[in-house]
Amino acid sequence: GAVVSQHPSWVICKSGTSVKIECRSLDFQATTMFWYRQFPKQSLMLMATSNEGSKATYEQGVEKDKFLINHASLTLSTLTVTSAHPEDSSFYICSAANTGNTIYFGEGSWLTVV
Amino acid sequence: AQTVTQSQPEMSVQEAETVTLSCTYDTSESDYYLFWYKQPPSRQMILVIRQEAYKQQNATENRFSVNFQKAAKSFSLKISDSQLGDAAMYFCAYTNTNAGKSTFGDGTTLTVKP
Repeated sequence: GAVVSQHPSWVICKSGTSVKIECRSLDFQATTMFWYRQFPKQSLMLMATSNEGSKATYEQGVEKDKFLINHASLTLSTLTVTSAHPEDSSFYICSAANTGNTIYFGEGSWLTVV
Repeated sequence: AQTVTQSQPEMSVQEAETVTLSCTYDTSESDYYLFWYKQPPSRQMILVIRQEAYKQQNATENRFSVNFQKAAKSFSLKISDSQLGDAAMYFCAYTNTNAGKSTFGDGTTLTVKP
């Protein structure tokens, strides 16, 4: 079964609204989680590192005010896409590593902004 | 910065035959992890195989095995007795030892012909 769960799997929102995606580690505690974005037929692009109890670390070119990350507990990180626009439509996926440094991915979330 | 290169955008194999997907990487670290992930059309990232850099022995998982050449910084994936269900995008990933920040290759789309 899944060890990292992501919700929702699909979400459609109106342009200008905000949408939250959750990433949960089910079988282990994760002080660090990662958020990726994937465009069609492309590789995963790291957006940010989510750190439990502290600010997220964003990759160059990623707008921290648009993609808000909160890691309030050792098993939950959330990504909020604020004031979403159609160009934010994409596949978003999170990952977390267990103590054995094996990385597990969530199921991913399809975001469509209309 | 670490880089991961998958030089084969597409590969095809006949069912029951063997195929090898190539991956090279660049790093100045001596300790790290390497992964192969399978991504079917559902977009779920499925861990195929994992290799610790400090281990000389090549990892194997049933029909999947790797040829890890640390000095050459090469990490190829061999799929034996290919099955139709093996058709997917395959990503090679490099991960440092600190909580799982990964760098991915661009992926190889594998087609399995019946």
